[in-house]
Amino acid sequence: EAQVTQNPRYLITVTGKKLTVTCSQNMNHEYMSWYRQDPGLGLRQIYYSMNVEVTDKGDVPEGYKVSRKEKRNFPLILESPSPNQTSLYFCASSLAGLLPTDTQYFGPGTRLTVL
Amino acid sequence: AQSVTQLDSHVSVSEGTPVLLRCNYSSSYSPSLFWYVQHPNKGLQLLLKYTSAATLVKGINGFEAEFKKSETSFHLTKPSAHMSDAAEYFCVVSENNDMRFGAGTRLTVKP
Repeated sequence: EAQVTQNPRYLITVTGKKLTVTCSQNMNHEYMSWYRQDPGLGLRQIYYSMNVEVTDKGDVPEGYKVSRKEKRNFPLILESPSPNQTSLYFCASSLAGLLPTDTQYFGPGTRLTVL
Repeated sequence: AQSVTQLDSHVSVSEGTPVLLRCNYSSSYSPSLFWYVQHPNKGLQLLLKYTSAATLVKGINGFEAEFKKSETSFHLTKPSAHMSDAAEYFCVVSENNDMRFGAGTRLTVKP
């Protein structure tokens, strides 16, 4: 089954404790991205990657890191989480980017709470 | 840069009545427009998309949207609401590999 998977689905942590949220897709997609969803703000893009070893900042990259060493994986790293990073996070992928012909497929989400 | 405004944060309808979720956009060029649905505790699912072909776009589950350039709108409609339509809906505009989400409209369906 074609899908985007994220782990963990739920995470409660404390300020300053490094964490990684994994994202994996099995559709051989070139483009992957991370979003955060906050009430009243919709989804905002954190980082995206057009291909292996190619990453770029989205709208809200501060406090986050990403890497794209393999095509299928795109982990999101919070080196020193803070309470304002408490949010619902979505990973997404598409075949080649955000072209009109592309469709983004979203993972199930990771709900992160930073105390 | 493009942007999108969903005019209602919450819409409530009775089962069997029409649904209208409103979306206005701003864009410098010819945008692609999407509607996504998010059911509770689920990821986002694509309902439909407009990519400069027919202005009336049909999606899944009986939803459709009409692209009106003169009004810069892309409203989502469904003739008859079903209980399973209760969810949050996001209007999205995309151009030049940049995607912007609206704040979302929560649809409640009353029995």
